[in-house]
Formats: sequence, structure tokens, C-alpha cells
Amino acid sequence: DAGITQSPRYKITETGRQVTLMCHQTWSHSYMFWYRQDLGHGLRLIYYSAAADITDKGEVPDGYVVSRSKTENFPLTLESATRSQTSVYFCASSESIPGLAVYNEQFFGPGTRLTVL
Amino acid sequence: DAKTTQPNSMESNEEEPVHLPCNHSTISGTDYIHWYRQLPSQGPEYVIHGLTSNVNNRMASLAIAEDRKSSTLILHRATLRDAAVYYCLNFGNEKLTFGTGTRLTIIP
Repeated sequence: DAGITQSPRYKITETGRQVTLMCHQTWSHSYMFWYRQDLGHGLRLIYYSAAADITDKGEVPDGYVVSRSKTENFPLTLESATRSQTSVYFCASSESIPGLAVYNEQFFGPGTRLTVL
Repeated sequence: DAKTTQPNSMESNEEEPVHLPCNHSTISGTDYIHWYRQLPSQGPEYVIHGLTSNVNNRMASLAIAEDRKSSTLILHRATLRDAAVYYCLNFGNEKLTFGTGTRLTIIP
């Protein structure tokens, strides 16, 4: 599929389990991002990546791990899920233009709704 | 982190113009102003962005105050499909910082 996809779209897990959310984009965009959105709130940045093998923390990184071995994939792992990580998770990507870097539009995936029991 | 202030909600009649305000009181000189919107059960969607000058595209217009402390997103003729949460953001240092946005209701 062209564009940016996330899998799974829905996930229910239990406290303490490891969960990995997948994000895949077909545009070869340099930048990729993970956000979480809690009910009644805006999006908060978890982690982002400027290129393969380059990642950096966002606003709320605790409890999450990311990797980016390939440009097109940016998985997000919850190493030991907690109930407070129940949320909708959005992945996004953005191309990089020399001299303008990240000041371009971000393209968002459809989201993964995660419930931690 | 730079934050923005928007009204929680607004209403507008269908086929009328809508002006969505945003305050960027802590914006820095190199931050771009971005607007996104989020339709129900979807990811955010880019609307428009600018730095200092007013901008137009097929979706909307962006008016930026001379001191850049405020901006206004203008939907020229609202339709029911424009009902969404609209977010204004300062975009700098590689990161977007979302606030809680303005929920726009379109009245038929």
C-alpha cells in the first residue's frame, strides 16, 4: 500500500507484556515520528527519527523504545506495558529538504488504538 | 517548549467563512506556524503553514500577525466536511508541539 500504514489498528494487552507497534511508509521520507493521543487531549510526541539509525526523545519517551534500521520502518515498543499507556498512537513521516529540514508537512498514519488491561 | 493558545470550540454556519484564531505568545524567530486538522477517528491532516507572510492554498488561508504572536486560519466557505479539531503549532527544533486545538462545529 502506498503512503503510511500502521499495524495493528487495534490491540488489547495486559499489564507487564511487551507490545510492538509497527509503522511503515513508502515515500522514503527522512523523518518519522511517534505520537500518543489521550482522550480529550492533543497529540504528544514520544520519539522521532531524522534518518535510519538516528532517533531522539520527544516530550513523553519514558516506557517506550524505538529503532530505525531501515528508512521505511519505525517500530515503537512498549517494553512492559502499563495502564497509563492506554492511548491512540499515531505515526507520521516528513521529507527533508536541504536548508529547510523538518519544516515541511507531516503525513500521519491512521493510528493504533492500544488498550492495556 | 513553545505552546499555543486556541479557543476550545467554535461554531459556524455552512457556506460561511470561518476564522480560527491562535496565539503564539512564545514563538521564536525561526519557528514556522503550522495548522493541522483532525477529523473524527482519523490521524491529523496538514492544512497550511507559514513563517511571516500570509499564505494561501487550496484548503485555506493563513494570516500571520506582523509580530507573529498570533495567526488566523481562514476557511473561506465552510462545509460539513470541515467539522474537525483544528490545531495550530509552532514548528521549530525538529518538533511539532500540539495543544488541545479548537473543535469546529459546522451548522447546516
